[in-house]
Amino acid sequence: DAGVTQSPTHLIKTRGQQVTLRCSPKSGHDTVSWYQQALGQGPQFIFQYYEEEERQRGNFPDRFSGHQFPNYSSELNVNALLLGDSALYLCASSLEGWGDEQYFGPGTRLTVT
Amino acid sequence: QKEVEQNSGPLSVPEGAIASLNCTYSDRGSQSFFWYRQYSGKSPELIMFIYSNGDKEDGRFTAQLNKASQYVSLLIRDSQPSDSATYLCAARGNAGGTSYGKLTFGQGTILTVHP
Repeated sequence: DAGVTQSPTHLIKTRGQQVTLRCSPKSGHDTVSWYQQALGQGPQFIFQYYEEEERQRGNFPDRFSGHQFPNYSSELNVNALLLGDSALYLCASSLEGWGDEQYFGPGTRLTVT
Repeated sequence: QKEVEQNSGPLSVPEGAIASLNCTYSDRGSQSFFWYRQYSGKSPELIMFIYSNGDKEDGRFTAQLNKASQYVSLLIRDSQPSDSATYLCAARGNAGGTSYGKLTFGQGTILTVHP
């Protein structure tokens, strides 16, 4: 049973650049949520995608955008990177209508210099 | 007031003891509650979830929910050094509400189980 996968594992970018992170959900799951986790903090919800649409969004600026593809995989894009965007970016997948459990991928560690 | 608050920790218990982790939430519309374990440098791993008032047991873990008091807890019996990690409490709102779908996390409690 394939779990949630994310790529890349680590990424170093310069302030002002743009970055794209990728996520493939757990086999059989159709919903993808993205979270940002700063060091020593709990994950913060960015947005959730279902049926290729952004269903819900947290308190993140428009620099954060996303997409879900027909195969349920998803991308997170961040434009005009700031030093404060340095964090662990987590993707979580779930199955709509079959409980609330969200399963996290290994994450992408983004460092902005 | 934070939406989900956990006991500040860090919590240190001897091997074999019961570890008690606590969490309170402010949104009375929250319907589902989750405990995740996160080892250093790794992503959160789902341990337990609970929807109804009362206790739910799974092996050495027991989750407790009291919606009237807006309180969730996780008990770990016979604690092992391998249980040493950060434990995250999360809440999810009910269907149709503005917080449906997203998980709101506490800041986490660091647990250390010493031999």
